[in-house]
Amino acid sequence: NAGVTQTPKFQVLKTGQSMTLQCAQDMNHEYMSWYRQDPGMGLRLIHYSVGAGITDQGEVPNGYNVSRSTTEDFPLRLLSAAPSQTSVYFCASSLGLAGATDTQYFGPGTRLTVL
Amino acid sequence: KQEVTQIPAALSVPEGENLVLNCSFTDSAIYNLQWFRQDPGKGLTSLLLIQSSQREQTSGRLNASLDKSSGRSTLYIAASQPGDSATYLCAVRRFQGAQKLVFGQGTRLTINP
Repeated sequence: NAGVTQTPKFQVLKTGQSMTLQCAQDMNHEYMSWYRQDPGMGLRLIHYSVGAGITDQGEVPNGYNVSRSTTEDFPLRLLSAAPSQTSVYFCASSLGLAGATDTQYFGPGTRLTVL
Repeated sequence: KQEVTQIPAALSVPEGENLVLNCSFTDSAIYNLQWFRQDPGKGLTSLLLIQSSQREQTSGRLNASLDKSSGRSTLYIAASQPGDSATYLCAVRRFQGAQKLVFGQGTRLTINP
């Protein structure tokens, strides 16, 4: 299993540009999430999904959109990039309610800089 | 609101020492607690997960304990090695299926040869 994969690894955007961060998992996990990690702020939840076709907001959703058309993929879209969105983005997945331990697995991250 | 604190923020010890990393949380109503390791520029690797009904979990040289009533967890690393150098994060989940993990800020550990 490749686990959780994310592309790209690095990205530089100009203010106002849009882009999509890709996330995929091959573990048949129901639950997928997006976090951002900022110095001094720790990891914060952006959006999450409990299954294909179901998404919901986390604690910092503004400026981001998600969709979940398949179990495997959970892309994160930046609508109009702002310097405040400069961060490292992590995708995570877990088995969901069927998994008693509910261990979360994280991807390697995407380092985004918005100029 | 659940808050998770890890003290110290950084720790440097000589190789071979046993050490303890601390994690405290303000709300004892948790489902589980997970310890992660993060290497510079990398993602998070799950080390140990303790369910709220458990007291401890062990994996190799690592032992994690949980005291829900006092809102504390510790990660014990035995016979530390330079390869253990990384940032260690703890995170709590409020209930089964809850998507939000509440993370601590992490402890940056350096093991000196």
